[in-house]
Order: sequence, then structure tokens, then C-alpha cells
Amino acid sequence: DTGVSQNPRHKITKRGQNVTFRCDPISEHNRLYWYRQTLGQGPEFLTYFQNEAQLEKSRLLSDRFSAERPKGSFSTLEIQRTEQGDSAMYLCASSRDFVGAYNSPLHFGNGTRLTVT
Amino acid sequence: AQTVTQSQPEMSVQEAETVTLSCTYDTSESDYYLFWYKQPPSRQMILVIRQEAYKQQNATENRFSVNFQKAAKSFSLKISDSQLGDAAMYFCAFRANFGNEKLTFGTGTRLTIIP
Repeated sequence: DTGVSQNPRHKITKRGQNVTFRCDPISEHNRLYWYRQTLGQGPEFLTYFQNEAQLEKSRLLSDRFSAERPKGSFSTLEIQRTEQGDSAMYLCASSRDFVGAYNSPLHFGNGTRLTVT
Repeated sequence: AQTVTQSQPEMSVQEAETVTLSCTYDTSESDYYLFWYKQPPSRQMILVIRQEAYKQQNATENRFSVNFQKAAKSFSLKISDSQLGDAAMYFCAFRANFGNEKLTFGTGTRLTIIP
């Protein structure tokens, strides 16, 4: 169990630029989640994949946001035309079974901190 | 829609003492899961404890236990024999059993351990 890996750890970009983040889940986990966490708040759900299928998307995920998980392995989250309000920590998590299943906790990565100037 | 409320932005406790963190939630669902997650400074969020709503027995994990009051929609976390390593943000979270995989988190409680 090497843990959930997220890259980059930090990203500073100018407003209007596109950014892409990568998440590598724990290898045997078929479920992958993206959350966003702003300062002083708890994480907010963005989207969920089971294998390569994107099964849930939050209304927070505007048209400027897109996520993919080709071949059910790593995932990418792209934000187009970034805005200052996109500044946040973007967290990826993975699990072997559904959230709440016995002995199948959600494993979080360290996150990617995005700053839009 | 579900909401999770943590009314204590900050708490502190003397090392080796006991502290209780509060959490209330609002839902119309009858079957769900509740969780406490710990987020140490600059480190990954990890699961502390989980509770299935259909189980009346309160979950325990070593020094961590919960007081689950389903009718009151309350889910507090008790940390016994507090240790310096318990210092972190603690988030309460909710997941409905059917319909989605989404976790709804509270705003967190920052726990400080006083040596």
C-alpha cells in the first residue's frame, strides 16, 4: 500500500489559464473520488469514478471542470479558464469498496494546492 | 440534501485527559453512515471511526469512541487519554446508504493538545 499520490503538490497559475492535476490511487482500488477543500471548510465532493466510468458529478463541477480516469487507473482533473474562486486544495481519494463498507476506508492523498492569481 | 454541523471551531485538552467533539447532522434518510476523519497539519486525512446508522451500538476504536444518538441526529467523538499526536482538524462526515457515494463533511474542529 503505497498510498494515494497527487501531483503536483502546489500549482500557481494566472487567471484564465488551464491547469491539470493528476491522482494515482492505491493500485487495487477501483473507486476514485475528487474533493475540493477551501480554507476553513471541510472537503466538498466533486466527482466519483468506478473503474473508468464517471458515475457522479457534483453541481460544483461547472463546465470548466472535467475529470477523466482512462483505463480505470490514474485520474486527471482539468480546470479550464481558471478563476480566483478556484483557489483551493484539491483532494483525491480512493477505496476498494463503497464508502462506509467494513474494512474499506477512504484513503486520501496529500492534495494539490491551487492558487489562482 | 444532507447537512453536517460542527459547532466547535476549536477545542483544546490537556494531555492524557478526555475530550468530546460535537457533530449534528440533518437528513431525511433512514439508512446512512457517519464518520470522523482526522487531518493533521500538512498531512493526509485519515479515517478515525465509522458508524452504521442501523447499529444501535456505539463504535469504538481504541481510545476513540462515538456517542450516536439517531433520534437527535447527533454523533459526537470522544477521545480518551489524549496524546500529542491527536492534534489535528477533525471532520465529521455523512454518507447516505443509497443513491450516491458522496461524503458530506462538516466544517471541522481544530483540536489542540496541551502538554
